[in-house]
Amino acid sequence: SYVLTQPPSVSVAPGQTARITCGGNNIGSKSVHWYQQKPGQAPVLVVYDDSDRPSGIPERFSGSNSGNTATLTISRVEAGDEADYYCQVWDSSSDPVVFGGGTKLTVL
Amino acid sequence: QVQLQESGPGLVKPSQTLSLTCTVSGGSISSGSYYWSWIRQPAGKGLEWIGRIYTSGSTNYNPSLKSRVTISVDTSKNQFSLKLSSVTAADTAVYYCARAFPTGTTTIGWFDPWGQGTLVTVSS
Repeated sequence: SYVLTQPPSVSVAPGQTARITCGGNNIGSKSVHWYQQKPGQAPVLVVYDDSDRPSGIPERFSGSNSGNTATLTISRVEAGDEADYYCQVWDSSSDPVVFGGGTKLTVL
Repeated sequence: QVQLQESGPGLVKPSQTLSLTCTVSGGSISSGSYYWSWIRQPAGKGLEWIGRIYTSGSTNYNPSLKSRVTISVDTSKNQFSLKLSSVTAADTAVYYCARAFPTGTTTIGWFDPWGQGTLVTVSS
């Protein structure tokens, strides 16, 4: 089955840039979607189709995808960005919806 | 704006069937070409996709759960439902319903929006 690998944690100081990676075999050939989940809340879509933002999501959130790694970039990080972030793809030969294990973003 | 709300028992006994309903408000479940999905999350763990349904009734399930899962839709009530049979403690989780956007004739892309989630505990 298709596996998405995320670092368990990423730490960044306020105002800096956070980069959260999502690794998968030839993930660049798939569309990657990203979710933000704060404690006790449901996930919220922050990036879809690699780099598109839903309405209401700040421009500080951006995404890229190439080769074996997709990346969610959060610029000018704020305390309110502290959350778990999950990547997700569709893999027709697998489950077929696959989520990464999640990355906890800590704002120092 | 479409909103989703899960409902159902919060406690299910082992070996019994877990039953949840998702009510869609702010729009018709039949409008647009969306899929409707269930996703779960054990405490402190990641997300696991359970399955999806199209308003035609066409379904697709996670192979690891397929033998125990049934998802159905009731367009007259603007609801879709999940049944998971023969539950064990491993099925204890927060269960979310979500709308899934199609990216092809049978493929789906992202999930948006999600319901607030409902905790189901499997225990005697």
